[in-house]
Amino acid sequence: AQKITQTQPGMFVQEKEAVTLDCTYDTSDQSYGLFWYKQPSSGEMIFLIYQGSYDEQNATEGRYSLNFQKARKSANLVISASQLGDSAMYFCAMREGSARQLTFGSGTQLTVLP
Amino acid sequence: NAGVTQTPKFQVLKTGQSMTLQCAQDMNHNSMYWYRQDPGMGLRLIYYSASEGTTDKGEVPNGYNVSRLNKREFSLRLESAAPSQTSVYFCASSEGDTPYEQYFGPGTRLTVT
Repeated sequence: AQKITQTQPGMFVQEKEAVTLDCTYDTSDQSYGLFWYKQPSSGEMIFLIYQGSYDEQNATEGRYSLNFQKARKSANLVISASQLGDSAMYFCAMREGSARQLTFGSGTQLTVLP
Repeated sequence: NAGVTQTPKFQVLKTGQSMTLQCAQDMNHNSMYWYRQDPGMGLRLIYYSASEGTTDKGEVPNGYNVSRLNKREFSLRLESAAPSQTSVYFCASSEGDTPYEQYFGPGTRLTVT
């Protein structure tokens, strides 16, 4: 079974609107961490936001927030007030237990329209 | 502060040739990683090194070897390149403590013909 599932290969959003990128995960560990990374067309991987499994509040970093629903095993990324520079591939990733390596989803290509 | 650096940026190999991808980090991180990225498949872990002197296999280790030369450097070697190893290779590092945020290098685009 896929550990990280991103069901939206591509998404479009109008500039200045909010967008939600979906991520569901599968783990039997009680302790885990969820990450979102951005990969612009230039290719580098940029860390956006982190949510720990024991964190009671949803993580926020500027215009990024993580909608963490533990019972549903979902960790959706919400980008508010989209900008043209947000156009990129977005990856959800998970670290399980005490492991340090990450497992990535297949990504969502976001295009922000002017 | 360069972060994570990788060399080379691009490489073309013929089937059967060997090469080493170099990675270095200047953040004094304990853990380092090698991933490959193929279209439509996200990043997959090849090998990682939790600390200097240790290495472990990831999801797709076949056809690769690694060396953690010192705390700063972690190299990936293809002994006999195959077309299936055409990919973009990323090196990353992390401190090793929570939240294990990983910092990535710019990637190496490798083509094997």
